[in-house]
Amino acid sequence: AQKITQTQPGMFVQEKEAVTLDCTYDTSDPSYGLFWYKQPSSGEMIFLIYQGSYDQQNATEGRYSLNFQKARKSANLVISASQLGDSAMYFCAMREGRRNTPLVFGKGTRLSVIA
Amino acid sequence: DTEVTQTPKHLVMGMTNKKSLKCEQHMGHRAMYWYKQKAKKPPELMFVYSYEKLSINESVPSRFSPECPNSSLLNLHLHALQPEDSALYLCASSQSAPRGLGQPQHFGDGTRLSIL
Repeated sequence: AQKITQTQPGMFVQEKEAVTLDCTYDTSDPSYGLFWYKQPSSGEMIFLIYQGSYDQQNATEGRYSLNFQKARKSANLVISASQLGDSAMYFCAMREGRRNTPLVFGKGTRLSVIA
Repeated sequence: DTEVTQTPKHLVMGMTNKKSLKCEQHMGHRAMYWYKQKAKKPPELMFVYSYEKLSINESVPSRFSPECPNSSLLNLHLHALQPEDSALYLCASSQSAPRGLGQPQHFGDGTRLSIL
């Protein structure tokens, strides 16, 4: 069974600083995909970044990068130059390499950016 | 603005009412999903439709009845709900297999449902 663990219920970061949100996963499937989503208080789930299990390089999307350490089964999200608008819940999620395997989400980390 | 549109944004209903939540996408996605999310919790999968056919039902009570009239629309019919069903209901869509694992699910803004 697949499992996603986010060990940080809440994080604080100073504006313009970088922050790392932790995510570890557990799966026996060699083919899987890892996703990070942002959920502001308004409720919408916003896709941020994707990392495939066979990808050789860490994914990057603007200020977001994914620190993928396959042997340690970790997929940490790094947000550089934090902005006040980054304050939100952040969910790590995984799909296994089966047809239409739905996303399984971690419990989330609430990030608060301080001015 | 999201590419997945959910209506209504807010819904208050009594336990004896019948109502429906609607979801629409025009991205050509053939997989659509309903999730339930309680406050401070991650989304929980309820149903998955693939090519307009129900492929996953996560043991959801029959008072929730999904419907996929066509590839762009997904409904969730509600009847005789309980107060514990109050939650944010999220719809999502994605490319269906075999286009690969890397296709993200795109979510709507959700419907905030309150059961009186």
